[in-house]
Amino acid sequence: GENVEQHPSTLSVQEGDSAVIKCTYSDSASNYFPWYKQELGKRPQLIIDIRSNVGEKKDQRIAVTLNKTAKHFSLHITETQPEDSAVYFCAASPDSWGKLQFGAGTQVVVTP
Amino acid sequence: NAGVTQTPKFRILKIGQSMTLQCTQDMNHNYMYWYRQDPGMGLKLIYYSVGAGITDKGEVPNGYNVSRSTTEDFPLRLELAAPSQTSVYFCASRTSTTHEQYFGPGTRLTVT
Repeated sequence: GENVEQHPSTLSVQEGDSAVIKCTYSDSASNYFPWYKQELGKRPQLIIDIRSNVGEKKDQRIAVTLNKTAKHFSLHITETQPEDSAVYFCAASPDSWGKLQFGAGTQVVVTP
Repeated sequence: NAGVTQTPKFRILKIGQSMTLQCTQDMNHNYMYWYRQDPGMGLKLIYYSVGAGITDKGEVPNGYNVSRSTTEDFPLRLELAAPSQTSVYFCASRTSTTHEQYFGPGTRLTVT
């Protein structure tokens, strides 16, 4: 089955700096890669996603890149703000049923 | 729309007891999912359903059962609760034509 690895597990950045989180996946059939933000005690919230036929997608300060050959994808947050502090999860979906395999998460702390 | 709702929010069970976690969505989504999230970890898929009457196992189905008699409801049944089932349980749903999964608020379960 699909296996998703996520790095780093924790990331501390100064406000205004950029944050990058990287994920690798094992199943070449995976075709959908969402990123979720989860605040303490809350449900995961989708922040951006990318399909396998697209190499990059951007939404304001957030961007995701996908390298299908290397089987890795990354989340980039620019101009970080304190409200970006949360746990971020990557995931991959290898089939049409939409089953998601999640990474272990990255705790992002943005210090003012 | 209320979206995806889950009950109860919190529950404490004794070892060996049984309970049903309720999940309801009012978006007429065909696909529904149950995930568990252990402390400091990503979500793991327990069971999923692609429509009323159709369910299948995910990554960690042991100790759980599901049913899907209607489009709206997807209850998760725990039989003979064990401490290893202490976790936060999230239900999610999506349409059959888009990938985005909408998560419920979660049920925090403790088995002692």
